[in-house]
Amino acid sequence: GAGVSQTPSNKVTEKGKYVELRCDPISGHTALYWYRQSLGQGPEFLIYFQGTGAADDSGLPNDRFFAVRPEGSVSTLKIQRTERGDSAVYLCASSPRQGANTEAFFGQGTRLTVV
Amino acid sequence: DQQVKQNSPSLSVQEGRISILNCDYTNSMFDYFLWYKKYPAEGPTFLISISSIKDKNEDGRFTVFLNKSAKHLSLHIVPSQPGDSAVYFCAASERGFQKLVFGTGTRLLVSP
Repeated sequence: GAGVSQTPSNKVTEKGKYVELRCDPISGHTALYWYRQSLGQGPEFLIYFQGTGAADDSGLPNDRFFAVRPEGSVSTLKIQRTERGDSAVYLCASSPRQGANTEAFFGQGTRLTVV
Repeated sequence: DQQVKQNSPSLSVQEGRISILNCDYTNSMFDYFLWYKKYPAEGPTFLISISSIKDKNEDGRFTVFLNKSAKHLSLHIVPSQPGDSAVYFCAASERGFQKLVFGTGTRLLVSP
């Protein structure tokens, strides 16, 4: 596709439920990132994939959060036992090169609301 | 601990004038800096970047200045246009690390 695609664009879930958020990166991009943006804040790093492996997951807030990228393309962010504090916009980004210091291209985000 | 700070939550400028957005950082290991622009309901869009080995980078109407001794960078937009109205995020990364650390953003409003 032309850009990073995230689905769904909006998700409302009940506290305690499980959710999956999907990211389709730009074709050919090897690096994929997940960020979370809370109201009034900048995006906060969650996890970075280089190919299929999670190269840096230091931003995941706790073990309820997990992400996969089994074939090195599409990625899924999984949140178990959702809490109201998980409500935020979840942003996915991809970049074309392995080296550091390359700009990332962001999707439009998934707005997650936990009620 | 906010490693990247944008102390001005908002800025209003008239069309045709210069917009100056500021960003301060505390981590001396940051060696690459970026500015992103964000419209409502869209993801951030890359605007311009600068490496720590430079003090200025220019791209059309956009110029980023880096003052390493002050740990300060700024984005200049000249001339400002109404379509520049958006939230601008400053971001930084450390050498060898992929993750970006973002500021809280500055909302720019350019009035005709």
